[in-house]
Amino acid sequence: SYELTQPPSVSVSPGQTASITCSGDKLGDKYAGWYQQKPGQSPVLVIYQNNKRPSGIPERFSGSNSGNTATLTISGTQAMDEADYYCQAWDSSTVVFGGGTKLTVL
Amino acid sequence: QVQLVQSGAEVKKTGASVKVSCKASGYPFVSFDIYWVRQASGQGLEWMGWINPNSGNTGYGQKFQGRVTMTRNISISTVYMELSSLRSEDTAVYYCARMVVLAAGWFDPWGQGTLVSVSS
Repeated sequence: SYELTQPPSVSVSPGQTASITCSGDKLGDKYAGWYQQKPGQSPVLVIYQNNKRPSGIPERFSGSNSGNTATLTISGTQAMDEADYYCQAWDSSTVVFGGGTKLTVL
Repeated sequence: QVQLVQSGAEVKKTGASVKVSCKASGYPFVSFDIYWVRQASGQGLEWMGWINPNSGNTGYGQKFQGRVTMTRNISISTVYMELSSLRSEDTAVYYCARMVVLAAGWFDPWGQGTLVSVSS
């Protein structure tokens, strides 16, 4: 079965740029999306179709996808961005989620 | 606004069944598939299956085949997920999510989650 691999954790200083990767075989041939989940809350879609932001998502969130890796980039990271982030893609009509990355802003 | 509201927390015994509801509002109920995803404490997201509210067609993940049933009631814009033969490993928060198709499928929004606790 298809797998998406994320680093368990990423740390960033406030105001700096955070990058969270998601790796999968030929992931660049698929579309990738990203969800943010804060403690005790439901996931929220922050990036879809590789690099598109839903309405209401701040411009500091951006995405890219090429080769075997999709990347979520958060520019000017704020304390409120501390959360778990999950990537998502499709393989053979089956949804696949990455294992999640805990972003710490310190 | 588009909203999915789920039923409340459940406590079940091993071997029992649980039925979780997800009521949609703010959009045409029959126009979007609903997916169910669960999350054990401290763990990632696990896809369970989907239902097309218009046709009632369903698709289940292999792990849950034979134990999960998804249904809908169009008159009250509600979908249901029933999981049977519960075991302790089924203890998790269960989410419903609307799938929006934009080049591919994305989940937006998600319900608030329903905690299902299973013990002997």
